[in-house]
Amino acid sequence: QITLKESGPTLVKPTQTLTLTCTFSGFSLSTSGVGVGWIRQPPGKALEWLALIYWDDDKRYSPSLKSRLTITKDTSKNQVVLTMTNMDPVDTATYYCAHGPGGQQLVYFDYWGQGTLVTVSS
Amino acid sequence: SYVLTQPPSVSVAPGKTARITCGGNNIGSKSVHWYQQKPGQAPVLVIYYDSDRPSGIPERFSGSNSGNTATLTISRVEAGDEADYYCQVWDSSSDHQVFGGGTKLTVL
Repeated sequence: QITLKESGPTLVKPTQTLTLTCTFSGFSLSTSGVGVGWIRQPPGKALEWLALIYWDDDKRYSPSLKSRLTITKDTSKNQVVLTMTNMDPVDTATYYCAHGPGGQQLVYFDYWGQGTLVTVSS
Repeated sequence: SYVLTQPPSVSVAPGKTARITCGGNNIGSKSVHWYQQKPGQAPVLVIYYDSDRPSGIPERFSGSNSGNTATLTISRVEAGDEADYYCQVWDSSSDHQVFGGGTKLTVL
């Protein structure tokens, strides 16, 4: 059974760096074809893809946010970490991590975490 | 960058068929995935690779993809199908994932 859970601060101040951790079970991020992605959703708005890390440590970032994002994995801990620098109130959103099978370029997200709401405010 | 266009809302009576479209330039050459999201919940994958259904998703959900439009079809709509639906593709030109703007399905 695949599960994922996001953790991190619920409130950050503008200009601070956000660090979110996705802890998962039921699969290994060293298995060929597997990826873990981060997706966010501002209140009342659409889903927005942020970043993706593959089993081979290949990484992809949203072009509009690439300069602010870093995604890493710790296979031994079954964790994926996303950092986002220079937070702004417009970054207030629910942040999801999700399991992505299907290999590079064909990945879809079949299991999602419950999401964590991050509010950016002074 | 690649843009996916969805109608903001679709309404359908119970028992009828709902069709939710996802438009994109030559989207027929891409693999399209669909998600259902109910209020306060995480998205759920309902269709992947254009027309495949994950286990546990009713056969009432189906997908197609051709030309510039992909379509999620929900047959015999039930009240429990009321949700937001999102399409998603991988954009080869920029090598990243793209979500559509979402469609709110209302069951009358």
